Amino acid sequence: AQTVTQSQPEMSVQEAETVTLSCTYDTSESDYYLFWYKQPPSRQMILVIRQEAYKQQNATENRFSVNFQKAAKSFSLKISDSQLGDAAMYFCAYPSNFGNEKLTFGTGTRLTIIP
Amino acid sequence: ETGVTQTPRHLVMGMTNKKSLKCEQHLGHNAMYWYKQSAKKPLELMFVYNFKEQTENNSVPSRFSPECPNSSHLFLHLHTLQPEDSALYLCASSQVPDEQYFGPGTRLTVT
Repeated sequence: AQTVTQSQPEMSVQEAETVTLSCTYDTSESDYYLFWYKQPPSRQMILVIRQEAYKQQNATENRFSVNFQKAAKSFSLKISDSQLGDAAMYFCAYPSNFGNEKLTFGTGTRLTIIP
Repeated sequence: ETGVTQTPRHLVMGMTNKKSLKCEQHLGHNAMYWYKQSAKKPLELMFVYNFKEQTENNSVPSRFSPECPNSSHLFLHLHTLQPEDSALYLCASSQVPDEQYFGPGTRLTVT
């Protein structure tokens, strides 16, 4: 079975500082996507960033970037200049089929921003 | 309305009741999903519909019955549920193979 592991149930960071959330996954595929989703206290899950495994370059979206280590099967999320609105549960997800319909989610990391 | 909407947002039902959850997507996507989110557990994929055809049933008990009449609407019919079925039920849609967009969820409590 596909597995996605988020080893940090909770993290906290000072406002304006940088924080990195870790994620590891298990796969035998060579070409796939990886996703980070954010679920704020209002519960609407939204996509933060995605990475395509065949791309060498790490994905970046404004203050959010990933450190993708394909050989190590590691996909960490870095949040720079943390803001109060970044407080949420963050889920790493890996698709177990080529069409990305069958997503396996990690257990999540609860991020707290300290003013 | 934009994105993915779900109704009702909250639902309390007895174990002998029959109720339905509704999901609608306004994004023109071709796939829709039901997930169950319980406390301290990973998000669990329940059903996948691709072009209105069910392509995944993740060993879900028959007391949960999905229906996808068209590519924009998805229902989850509930009957004779158990207290352990209490959870947040999330609907999502996607234009395969792109990322999934989620609705706000229905908080279900079974008494």
